[in-house]
Amino acid sequence: KAGVTQTPRYLIKTRGQQVTLSCSPISGHRSVSWYQQTPGQGLQFLFEYFSETQRNKGNFPGRFSGRQFSNSRSEMNVSTLELGDSALYLCASSWTADTEAFFGQGTRLTVV
Amino acid sequence: GQQVMQIPQYQHVQEGEDFTTYCNSSTTLSNIQWYKQRPGGHPVFLIQLVKSGEVKKQKRLTFQFGEAKKNSSLHITATQTTDVGTYFCAGPKGGNKLVFGAGTILRVKS
Repeated sequence: KAGVTQTPRYLIKTRGQQVTLSCSPISGHRSVSWYQQTPGQGLQFLFEYFSETQRNKGNFPGRFSGRQFSNSRSEMNVSTLELGDSALYLCASSWTADTEAFFGQGTRLTVV
Repeated sequence: GQQVMQIPQYQHVQEGEDFTTYCNSSTTLSNIQWYKQRPGGHPVFLIQLVKSGEVKKQKRLTFQFGEAKKNSSLHITATQTTDVGTYFCAGPKGGNKLVFGAGTILRVKS
């Protein structure tokens, strides 16, 4: 079966712009989580969605938001981009939020 | 901050040497998971431990879950160059959230 698909793979944006990243989970998985990965901070939890509801949110500013659609696909949005938002953004899908997570290849965001 | 502590941060070993990474949680975990991320890749699930004191093996990899379900370890016997990457532990925290340790970067010198 198809894995987790994230688009786009690479993105370059300018400070102040906004960006939307997309994640298509494995078929049947309703839990989708987003993580930010940077060299110094490891994998930081952004938020988790299940059946279109955000059930948990990490310690990130309100500029980071997300949503999940009825087909379980998820998007995350970052507004008013800052240089520090440059990172690899990973999406993971699973049957439940606390079990085996399947990661997509990530979106590499560079803010200049 | 990190609620799941992982050490060491880096480990350089000679090919054939053993490697161990340790994971500690301040609270009891319902399960602990281990992931491997190759350079330039994404995290890939290795294993999940659920029971207190559980030990599982995958070829040269041995995973342990502590009796109090607050710590875990991953031990690799006789490392190979294919073992290179970052190893993460992760545990469920605060409901509907998987918290990852900072990871241990393993480099193997051949």
